[in-house]
Amino acid sequence: QSALTQPASVSGSPGQSITISCTGTSSDVGGYNYVSWYQQHPGKAPKLMIYDVSNRPSGVSNRFSGSKSGNTASLTISGLQAEDEADYYCSSYTSSSTSGGVFGGGTKLTVL
Amino acid sequence: EVQLVESGGGLVKPGGSLRLSCAASGFTFSSYSMNWVRQAPGKGLEWVSSISSSSSYIYYADSVKGRFTISRDNAKNSLYLQMNSLRAEDTAVYYCARDLKYQLLPDWDYWGQGTLVTVSS
Repeated sequence: QSALTQPASVSGSPGQSITISCTGTSSDVGGYNYVSWYQQHPGKAPKLMIYDVSNRPSGVSNRFSGSKSGNTASLTISGLQAEDEADYYCSSYTSSSTSGGVFGGGTKLTVL
Repeated sequence: EVQLVESGGGLVKPGGSLRLSCAASGFTFSSYSMNWVRQAPGKGLEWVSSISSSSSYIYYADSVKGRFTISRDNAKNSLYLQMNSLRAEDTAVYYCARDLKYQLLPDWDYWGQGTLVTVSS
């Protein structure tokens, strides 16, 4: 069981917007602005899409945005495109132990 | 162009050992802390270990503490993971990943392609 809770799957049609949630506790998501989101296509390495809750690394499309409210972080993808179909993982700093962070179980995004 | 290339994975029996390597290029390796992150088949991501730029600070996940050792050679632009007493549950693709900012923040901006470690008799 993952430390952070994500929906197993979400779907949307091209051009639509979708949101993926990531729920933790006050020891991780709720307590710090250190939430990241990764995109992973099958057989590929993860790619950092969002860091520090809402910052995009250079080169990441502005169709991807992040936010947080309480113990729940969210990734929103607007103007869905076929290439957005992938697995998405959230991660967060945690004060619970000396570790490199905690992860969600991943969400499979299907573009219909 | 930043590149991270892992090697050293393979099939090993339970209780055996394996040493993974990660060759870095395209950036000043000695300025960044580095990590190993793994992904079991069909599963999510799990942070394994982190090492600071000068090797002064080293951290491990509880699941590998006492069995795995992370190290680096800044002169060779290389990161290593020595894995001993391997178990079936260590079976995974192992990625090396560069820290975007600080150690122990899960924001890794560059990843290698991964190397598969299979622990089976």
